[in-house]
Amino acid sequence: ILNVEQSPQSLHVQEGDSTNFTCSFPSSNFYALHWYRWETAKSPEALFVMTLNGDEKKKGRISATLNTKEGYSYLYIKGSQPEDSATYLCAFIGNAGNMLTFGGGTRLMVKP
Amino acid sequence: DADVTQTPRNRITKTGKRIMLECSQTKGHDRMYWYRQDPGLGLRLIYYSFDVKDINKGEISDGYSVSRQAQAKFSLSLESAIPNQTALYFCATSERHREPQHFGDGTRLSIL
Repeated sequence: ILNVEQSPQSLHVQEGDSTNFTCSFPSSNFYALHWYRWETAKSPEALFVMTLNGDEKKKGRISATLNTKEGYSYLYIKGSQPEDSATYLCAFIGNAGNMLTFGGGTRLMVKP
Repeated sequence: DADVTQTPRNRITKTGKRIMLECSQTKGHDRMYWYRQDPGLGLRLIYYSFDVKDINKGEISDGYSVSRQAQAKFSLSLESAIPNQTALYFCATSERHREPQHFGDGTRLSIL
């Protein structure tokens, strides 16, 4: 069983704050890392699929970076808004695997 | 209409009952997955299928079985439900096994 960890488990920020959280994963046999956004009572939605070391992806105020050599990815949210409140999940897939292994998620709550 | 539809959305049942959760998709994807979500544990893979004739166990398949009746349909069964199978269950699809996954809205299952 692969070890994919996310930190922190939960985070409270004020509207307008920028924030970031971490996903750590095995640094060997890396193939891809996924980020998903999961709002309460809805289905998880894909944000990014990252495959290259040093990759940086951006969607609006959300961006992510990838370091495959040391086994971590950061997700950044600039100027958090209440609608950003959700659980953010990362998931790792290795070269030898067919399955995504998910981290436990970071639950973000943005207060107006 | 949702691309990935799960039924039922909620179910309460008793220990020992047989339960079937159904998933259908209109995305035309060959790959389908069943996950369960428990608080703090992220999503854990139960079973996955890469086409109608291909079924594979995931991380936590004990106590579950699946059927891939057609490309668009993938059902999950609990032959004899037990309380520790109380969880939120998600079905997902993907075009290729390393591409972003598309999730249904989930089935909340409670076993008394």
